Amino acid sequence: DVKVTQSSRYLVKRTGEKVFLECVQDMDHENMFWYRQDPGLGLRLIYFSYDVKMKEKGDIPEGYSVSREKKERFSLILESASTNQTSMYLCASSFSSQRELFFGEGSRLTVL
Amino acid sequence: AQSVTQLGSHVSVSEGALVLLRCNYSSSVPPYLFWYVQYPNQGLQLLLKYTSAATLVKGINGFEAEFKKSETSFHLTKPSAHMSDAAEYFCAVSAQTSYDKVIFGPGTSLSVIP
Repeated sequence: DVKVTQSSRYLVKRTGEKVFLECVQDMDHENMFWYRQDPGLGLRLIYFSYDVKMKEKGDIPEGYSVSREKKERFSLILESASTNQTSMYLCASSFSSQRELFFGEGSRLTVL
Repeated sequence: AQSVTQLGSHVSVSEGALVLLRCNYSSSVPPYLFWYVQYPNQGLQLLLKYTSAATLVKGINGFEAEFKKSETSFHLTKPSAHMSDAAEYFCAVSAQTSYDKVIFGPGTSLSVIP
């Protein structure tokens, strides 16, 4: 089975802190994605990556950055956390030729 | 550009009754279409996908969906609801052209009443 692992299920941070969310996949997928999920809004794409060291902005990249130094790992960075970034963050991966996404279990971030 | 609407943010059905979750999409090119399910405190998992091979698509756990181009719809159905079907369901669309991102709908929360 494909496994996408997110490092933290629950985090509580203070406004202004730098936050790292880590995601690792074990199926050699080329593509990796970060979404945020908010009630009534579904999933919104923050950033995605087609290859190592490559990144593309999604629909809501403001306030976020990403890093992909190795194929299996994709990190989401909140440089200075704000309360409006309180959300569920979902990492996903896929093969280049497929659209099917494999998701991690999510990281629920609360910014106080 | 692609977009997805899901009619009804909450749907309740009785155990054993038909489940019908509605999804309409907008796409300027032939789409790929998906239904994902999310159980409480978990990530999303794929229920089924339409990739133009057949208009009626069968998925896991007894679910199926029919692609209707004339109605731009991809509604999800299951003949008989089970308590374990209670979850959040997301419809999603992606263009069939060169790689395109996957766009998700807002989701429908399904409750199953004993």
